[in-house]
Amino acid sequence: KAGVTQTPRYLIKTRGQQVTLSCSPISGHRSVSWYQQTPGQGLQFLFEYFSETQRNKGNFPGRFSGRQFSNSRSEMNVSTLELGDSALYLCASSPRLAGYSSSYEQYFGPGTRLTVT
Amino acid sequence: SQELEQSPQSLIVQEGKNLTINCTSSKTLYGLYWYKQKYGEGLIFLMMLQKGGEEKSHEKITAKLDEKKQQSSLHITASQPSHAGIYLCGALQSGGSNYKLTFGKGTLLTVNP
Repeated sequence: KAGVTQTPRYLIKTRGQQVTLSCSPISGHRSVSWYQQTPGQGLQFLFEYFSETQRNKGNFPGRFSGRQFSNSRSEMNVSTLELGDSALYLCASSPRLAGYSSSYEQYFGPGTRLTVT
Repeated sequence: SQELEQSPQSLIVQEGKNLTINCTSSKTLYGLYWYKQKYGEGLIFLMMLQKGGEEKSHEKITAKLDEKKQQSSLHITASQPSHAGIYLCGALQSGGSNYKLTFGKGTLLTVNP
């Protein structure tokens, strides 16, 4: 099976702009989660989508939003970009929803490196 | 909220040496995940531990969840340059009906040939 893919791999944006990142999960996986990774804060959970609905959420402001399509592909949008949004954004897929199984393995994509100038 | 502390933060070993990375939780662990990450890339799933005392191995990597389920260790035997990278432990945290996977800050492993 093909792994999790993310596009684009690298992105440079200007403060105040908005950006959309895309993630295609492993075939058959219905859960897609998004994470932000920075040197200072480490890896932080943004949100999880399952069957086109946001089911779990981290502690990020409303500028960070997402959606999931019927084919399980997901997009994440960040509006009004700030310098602090510069990070590696990782997407992960799982066949199960967090909290609904004792086994919750996530498989990560290569990430999108976002730089805000 | 649950916090995961990893130690050491970084480790440099000579090829062939054994090493151990620890992950300590402030709360009881109900599932502990170990991942490996090459710098700037995605995470690679290594293994998951659920039961106190559980031990799993994959090639030369062994992970164990202690009986009290608040600490896990990752042990690498006869390290190789291919083992170099960042090792992260993660645990599922719940807050009401909201669940999320939280991670430690990672341990950077360097293996010198």
